Amino acid sequence: KAGVTQTPRYLIKTRGQQVTLSCSPISGHRSVSWYQQTPGQGLQFLFEYFSETQRNKGNFPGRFSGRQFSNSRSEMNVSTLELGDSALYLCASSFGTGNNEQFFGPGTRLTVL
Amino acid sequence: GQNIDQPTEMTATEGAIVQINCTYQTSGFNGLFWYQQHAGEAPTFLSYNVLDGLEEKGRFSSFLSRSKGYSYLLLKELQMKDSASYLCAVRSHSGNTPLVFGKGTRLSVIA
Repeated sequence: KAGVTQTPRYLIKTRGQQVTLSCSPISGHRSVSWYQQTPGQGLQFLFEYFSETQRNKGNFPGRFSGRQFSNSRSEMNVSTLELGDSALYLCASSFGTGNNEQFFGPGTRLTVL
Repeated sequence: GQNIDQPTEMTATEGAIVQINCTYQTSGFNGLFWYQQHAGEAPTFLSYNVLDGLEEKGRFSSFLSRSKGYSYLLLKELQMKDSASYLCAVRSHSGNTPLVFGKGTRLSVIA
């Protein structure tokens, strides 16, 4: 069974640009969560989607948005990029919500110059 | 608010035993997870505790005390490949509340 895949793996953008990251969950998994990981703050929850509906949202500004498609693939978008958005963005999938084990993808390393 | 504390760094010797502590203060509790993350890689699931006590899985064990808001991850017979960050995460309520992660403990195993 293929794992969680994320594209692209690395991305360099400049301030003010926008970016879209993609996540394909494990086949059969319907829940996708997104996290931002930085050395100073650790893993911080962005949002969770289940069956195309946003179930939870973390404390991030409205520049961060996401969506989930009918095949459970998910995208997140960051508009008007800031230097502080440089981070590793991780996607995790699980079969359902609740206490199901989450499987993480390799992440997208975003650098904002 | 919710707060999860772990030591930032630890060093241990190959073959030894190391205990990584995690304390949490959350508005509720519905499970605690431990993840391992090697540098440049994705976190991988190690263990899940929801009831008090010890869960053993090979060289790794995880303990939970809900009354004390405390957990630890015990690694036995340390190997060099165990050098990684260990992340403690708590789900504060039932159902669809998201995991809250600690900042992780970077473990270095030395010869």
